[in-house]
Amino acid sequence: KNQVEQSPQSLIILEGKNCTLQCNYTVSPFSNLRWYKQDTGRGPVSLTIMTFSENTKSNGRYTATLDADTKQSSLHITASQLSDSASYICVVRENINDMRFGAGTRLTVKP
Amino acid sequence: GAGVSQSPSNKVTEKGKDVELRCDPISGHTALYWYRQSLGQGLEFLIYFQGNSAPDKSGLPSDRFSAERTGGSVSTLTIQRTQQEDSAVYLCASSAGQVSYNEQFFGPGTRLTVL
Repeated sequence: KNQVEQSPQSLIILEGKNCTLQCNYTVSPFSNLRWYKQDTGRGPVSLTIMTFSENTKSNGRYTATLDADTKQSSLHITASQLSDSASYICVVRENINDMRFGAGTRLTVKP
Repeated sequence: GAGVSQSPSNKVTEKGKDVELRCDPISGHTALYWYRQSLGQGLEFLIYFQGNSAPDKSGLPSDRFSAERTGGSVSTLTIQRTQQEDSAVYLCASSAGQVSYNEQFFGPGTRLTVL
């Protein structure tokens, strides 16, 4: 069983709408959690990083939340744009070398 | 400044052939990672380098897979006697060091197709 579960697997929304992607993990101990955006045919690019003590962090229209007690994180995208169409990957870091990757959520934004 | 580059971007090979994939990390980055991403799947860790040494090879799926890094810079991932199940995108990433907070910067990947 994957230690990082993401939902939904895929999502289609209309341009301008908001959406929220979920990441639940069982990784322990916990060092940090990153959300990556991966455009088709490209490598992942980091959006946010959150440590144990952080509850929320924003990067433009992207806002990540973390509940370390329930081991849940979310990525909220506000006022979606066509360029937001991508896969969003949640990565939980256990220690220096140990990272666990979620399978990703495939987001499609339609005009 | 240049990011992580990988070559070739695409590679089509016949089953049983050997292939070499190359990764040029960001200059000065001491840590280098190889991952595999199969269609519709998450990233699968293969191997990690710190400098020229590979303290963690636990992700290599079989002895057909090997990797080396020379001069603390360029890395090559070699797959011998390729099989159809090796078809995937192979991603390389580098980071500034071992600190867990350091961001990994990914290359665009090499798409390998084994016929």
